[in-house]
Amino acid sequence: GENVEQHPSTLSVQEGDSAVIKCTYSDSASNYFPWYKQELGKRPQLIIDIRSNVGEKKDQRIAVTLNKTAKHFSLHITETQPEDSAVYFCAASGGGSQGNLIFGKGTKLSVKP
Amino acid sequence: NAGVTQTPKFQVLKTGQSMTLQCAQDMNHEYMSWYRQDPGMGLRLIHYSVGAGITDQGEVPNGYNVSRSTTEDFPLRLLSAAPSQTSVYFCASSPSARWGDEQFFGPGTRLTVL
Repeated sequence: GENVEQHPSTLSVQEGDSAVIKCTYSDSASNYFPWYKQELGKRPQLIIDIRSNVGEKKDQRIAVTLNKTAKHFSLHITETQPEDSAVYFCAASGGGSQGNLIFGKGTKLSVKP
Repeated sequence: NAGVTQTPKFQVLKTGQSMTLQCAQDMNHEYMSWYRQDPGMGLRLIHYSVGAGITDQGEVPNGYNVSRSTTEDFPLRLLSAAPSQTSVYFCASSPSARWGDEQFFGPGTRLTVL
């Protein structure tokens, strides 16, 4: 089945710097890769996603890149702000149904003012 | 629309007790799922349903049962609670079981088993 590895587990940056979180997946049949942000005590919320027929997608300060050959995808946050501090999860579709998501273990991002 | 709702928000059980975590959505979504979230482990899929009357196992199904008698509701049953089931449980739904549909999460249920 699908397995998703996420690195780093913690990341601390200064306000205004960039942050990069990387994920690898194992199932070449996976074709949908969302990223979720979870603030303390809250539910996960989708911030950006990418489909297998696209190499890169941007939404303001957030971008995601996908390398299907190498089976890895990354989240890039530019000009970080304190409100970006949260836990970020990557996921890949698979695991019995294409509607299922297999999640990485998360990255705790801290943005210091 | 209320979106995805879960009850209760908090629950404390004793080992061996049973209970049902409720999940409902009012978006007419076909696909629903249950995850558990433990510190450092991310979200792990327990069970999922691609439509009313259809359920299947996810990554960590042992100790849990589900049913899907209506499109709106997807309850999760703990048959005999164990301390290892202490976790935060999230229900999620998406329009279909096809890849690429956004999954919407409920607010979660924090369960403690003593």
